[in-house]
Amino acid sequence: QQQVKQSPQSLIVQKGGISIINCAYENTAFDYFPWYQQFPGKGPALLIAIRPDVSEKKEGRFTISFNKSAKQFSLHIMDSQPGDSATYFCAASKGFQKLVFGTGTRLLVSP
Amino acid sequence: GAVVSQHPSRVICKSGTSVKIECRSLDFQATTMFWYRQFPKQSLMLMATSNEGSKATYEQGVEKDKFLINHASLTLSTLTVTSAHPEDSSFYICSARGPGVQPQHFGDGTRLSIL
Repeated sequence: QQQVKQSPQSLIVQKGGISIINCAYENTAFDYFPWYQQFPGKGPALLIAIRPDVSEKKEGRFTISFNKSAKQFSLHIMDSQPGDSATYFCAASKGFQKLVFGTGTRLLVSP
Repeated sequence: GAVVSQHPSRVICKSGTSVKIECRSLDFQATTMFWYRQFPKQSLMLMATSNEGSKATYEQGVEKDKFLINHASLTLSTLTVTSAHPEDSSFYICSARGPGVQPQHFGDGTRLSIL
């Protein structure tokens, strides 16, 4: 019940395209859903986060869509760029306590 | 803002030695710090959570005598891997968050290689 399932495991998108990564959770007590971006040899960096009282949050080219009834949330990267190539992790927590991470998605944006 | 510094970034040492990794919050007071371990191409695995001035809370399966965590101040936490062996080789990452409603901010990790 503590798991966060993430898909796909890897993704190749052409420059300018839309990258979509999906996550699903089971624990209905979770109320904080961040996305992290990680480059090789670096720690994760907070990209964008959402609370369950809204269905969508947009920051620049990054959008989180949240479906509370389905217990699913997704990250959309619009106009994907080669510099977006990284590993993306979704996560969930109750409040701002310990995070449960998804398994990660390796995104490659081809020039 | 919200910068977390981790040191060293990389360490190579012989089997049997102890290694200390530092995690500092540079521009905020970190009431809670977390330590993670990450194997290649895998997700982050939480090892322990520490609150300033309190003993760390370890996740199931993590040896607290092997991985010593100290959070003596609001800006510094340390992880000491005692009597390290090759199977302890991994990428160790810390994160920190401030008081109240604050997200976690991560350091850049420490690559530990035990020969």
